[in-house]
Amino acid sequence: SQELEQSPQSLIVQEGKNLTINCTSSKTLYGLYWYKQKYGEGLIFLMMLQKGGEEKSHEKITAKLDEKKQQSSLHITASQPSHAGIYLCGADYNNNDMRFGAGTRLTVKP
Amino acid sequence: ETGVTQTPRHLVMGMTNKKSLKCEQHLGHNAMYWYKQSAKKPLELMFVYSLEERVENNSVPSRFSPECPNSSHLFLHLHTLQPEDSALYLCASSQRHGGGRMREQYFGPGTRLTVT
Repeated sequence: SQELEQSPQSLIVQEGKNLTINCTSSKTLYGLYWYKQKYGEGLIFLMMLQKGGEEKSHEKITAKLDEKKQQSSLHITASQPSHAGIYLCGADYNNNDMRFGAGTRLTVKP
Repeated sequence: ETGVTQTPRHLVMGMTNKKSLKCEQHLGHNAMYWYKQSAKKPLELMFVYSLEERVENNSVPSRFSPECPNSSHLFLHLHTLQPEDSALYLCASSQRHGGGRMREQYFGPGTRLTVT
């Protein structure tokens, strides 16, 4: 099994709807990173969370790291077609490299 | 624009060919990475260079050979590849602080490699 599990694997929402993507780690995180990827392209860094209970926002995207630092959620408010893509979480386990989840493919229907 | 560029963007090569992928970062970072992204699999870390020294090699076959001539450039030399090596190869860079703790990584657009 993977160290990082993302759910759901894919998500289709109507434009304007809210949505949440989850990332669960099998062990304590030192840092949690959220990225967005357009198909076949590189990853775009969204935000980083390090402290338990931390919450960050960027435009209509909010990410939280739970107190135990083993789970993070990414919430998009009033989704738009521009939010479509693959969202990946990456984990820092204090061993100098990043592990990634398998990603969540988001489709936003106009 | 993330500040990390990769060339070529697409590459088709035969199993007997030799080719190289190039990555350049314009962010002043001190660490660079190669990742492989295959269909329906998580990103796989291949190599890590920190201050131009290779610090990690995740059991990558020897047909992949990295080179980091300076902190801004990273190459991946390819030879006698197999069809299962077809994938998107991503380069990234980051700033590592004292004790090796990493910060967020910035990715290039990737090279789509097809091995025939």
